[in-house]
Amino acid sequence: SYELTQPPSVSVSPGQTARITCSADALPKQYAYWYQQKPGQAPVLVIYKDSERPSGIPERFSGSSSGTTVTLTISGVQAEDEADYYCQSADSSGTYFWVFGGGTKLTVL
Amino acid sequence: EVQLVESGGGLVQPGGSLRLSCAASGFTFSSYDMHWVRQATGKGLEWVSAIGTAGDTYYPGSVKGRFTISRENAKNSLYLQMNSLRAGDTAVYYCARGDSSGWYWGQGTLVTVSS
Repeated sequence: SYELTQPPSVSVSPGQTARITCSADALPKQYAYWYQQKPGQAPVLVIYKDSERPSGIPERFSGSSSGTTVTLTISGVQAEDEADYYCQSADSSGTYFWVFGGGTKLTVL
Repeated sequence: EVQLVESGGGLVQPGGSLRLSCAASGFTFSSYDMHWVRQATGKGLEWVSAIGTAGDTYYPGSVKGRFTISRENAKNSLYLQMNSLRAGDTAVYYCARGDSSGWYWGQGTLVTVSS
């Protein structure tokens, strides 16, 4: 089955840059999306189509893609950015199937 | 303003059934694919089902044959009929609007399968 692999946790100090990776063989063929989820809340889209930022999302959030890995970068991390982050993509084998990474807990020290 | 409001969650015994609803507003409901996604407590997100604008439906193996997604465009509503429920189906169920610009999510409804 298709899987997206994320690190379970990332920790940074306020003002530093956080990078969260998501890896899968099929990522070069399908766009990736990133969602932020704070405790007790629904996920919120922060990056779409690998690197596009929705309106209303701060400029410190950016996305990039290289080979089988996509990366969510948060520059100048703020305390309010502490959350779980999930990558999402679609199966590229011809089967209609959406998959999420296991999630990365971003801790702001 | 886009709004998705789920309802219908609750406590159900193993083997039982439940029907979830999602009321949509603030956008042209009939023009979007719609999805259900679930999240068990302390766990990650799991895609559960999708329905296209033409009514085509899709499921992962974990729920295929037990869950049925449907939509009623005239009522701007999405549904999820869940049968033969198991303890492992216990989760918050979210409905989501999807397109190539990403998904927009409702606040979710809790389904607990327990005797």
